[in-house]
Amino acid sequence: DTGVSQNPRHKITKRGQNVTFRCDPISEHNRLYWYRQTLGQGPEFLTYFQNEAQLEKSRLLSDRFSAERPKGSFSTLEIQRTEQGDSAMYLCASSRAGTGQWDTQYFGPGTRLTVL
Amino acid sequence: KNQVEQSPQSLIILEGKNCTLQCNYTVSPFSNLRWYKQDTGRGPVSLTIMTFSENTKSNGRYTATLDADTKQSSLHITASQLSDSASYICVVSEASGGYQKVTFGTGTKLQVIP
Repeated sequence: DTGVSQNPRHKITKRGQNVTFRCDPISEHNRLYWYRQTLGQGPEFLTYFQNEAQLEKSRLLSDRFSAERPKGSFSTLEIQRTEQGDSAMYLCASSRAGTGQWDTQYFGPGTRLTVL
Repeated sequence: KNQVEQSPQSLIILEGKNCTLQCNYTVSPFSNLRWYKQDTGRGPVSLTIMTFSENTKSNGRYTATLDADTKQSSLHITASQLSDSASYICVVSEASGGYQKVTFGTGTKLQVIP
């Protein structure tokens, strides 16, 4: 198992441009999470999928943000009309449901976004 | 509102010394608590997970404790090494319906110096 992978690892864009990130979870995991982490802060929850269904969205996920997981496997996170405040590390995590109280989330390496 | 508070915010210790990081939470109903280690610029790495019935769990030089009554957890690092320098994040999961809600602490930044 290669773990959770994210692409690209780094993205530099100009304000107003659209960006899209991809996350490939661990193959047998049916839950996928997106988080945002700014410098010096802990990760903030953005949204979560179980299979292809988006079950929860944080109020941090403004209308400019959209996430999809069309086939219940990989997921994409798109940010439209980027703003400088969007600069952060975007983390993806996956887990396997149906394990009782356990929901260990395995994180990817993250995509670092810089908006100029 | 569910909260996870960690202390201290930052800590500097000499190589070889021990240290203890604290995590207090108000998450309810409690499902589990995890400690993550996050190196600068990298994603978090899970150290250990504690469920309601577990009081102490060790993973090498790391020992985590959980007091579900007082809603406190600690992470003790023994014989620190330079590679232990990182942020340590406490994460508490809430059992809510059929899925987990996750609340992150802001972390403790540990620096181990020679």
